[in-house]
Amino acid sequence: GAVVSQHPSRVICKSGTSVKIECRSLDFQATTMFWYRQFPKQSLMLMATSNEGSKATYEQGVEKDKFLINHASLTLSTLTVTSAHPEDSSFYICSAFIPGHGGNTIYFGEGSWLTVV
Amino acid sequence: KQEVTQIPAALSVPEGENLVLNCSFTDSAIYNLQWFRQDPGKGLTSLLLIQSSQREQTSGRLNASLDKSSGRSTLYIAASQPGDSATYLCAVNSGGYQKVTFGTGTKLQVIP
Repeated sequence: GAVVSQHPSRVICKSGTSVKIECRSLDFQATTMFWYRQFPKQSLMLMATSNEGSKATYEQGVEKDKFLINHASLTLSTLTVTSAHPEDSSFYICSAFIPGHGGNTIYFGEGSWLTVV
Repeated sequence: KQEVTQIPAALSVPEGENLVLNCSFTDSAIYNLQWFRQDPGKGLTSLLLIQSSQREQTSGRLNASLDKSSGRSTLYIAASQPGDSATYLCAVNSGGYQKVTFGTGTKLQVIP
């Protein structure tokens, strides 16, 4: 079964509004989660590392004020796209790292397709 | 910095053919490597996970191999079916456990 659950799988929002994507670890605690974004015809790129109880670490070029990440509990990280624009339309996916679980495996959520109209 | 390359970028084969997808990576100090499939407009589906200590993993018609020393992994699909049509991504876990680097993917089309 799924180890990491992501919601919603698909969302459409109006330009200028904010949208939140949730990433939950099921049956385990994830102190670290990761958020990725897929650009058209490109690979998935790491956006930020989400650490429980502390500020997220953003990759170079990712606007932290636009992509707000909150990891308030050991089982939930959220990505909020603020003041969304059509160019933010993309596929976003989260993952969780479980030390010692299956050989330090990283588990991925199902992903979320965001369309900004 | 880990770089992951997948060749070919696109592949079209007739149904029933066996095929091989390639993934190469520049830093051989990896923890594991995963193969995913992504259908258009859908999320990622994990196919196979190979730990750094393993050389191959099999699931049904799929077989993934790993050669760390040469920085290569292959995904072998036997007796391809139209339902196998999707984009296949390899993802390399390296750099302090937590860094996953994705390849650019191979878009596979299996023609009935």
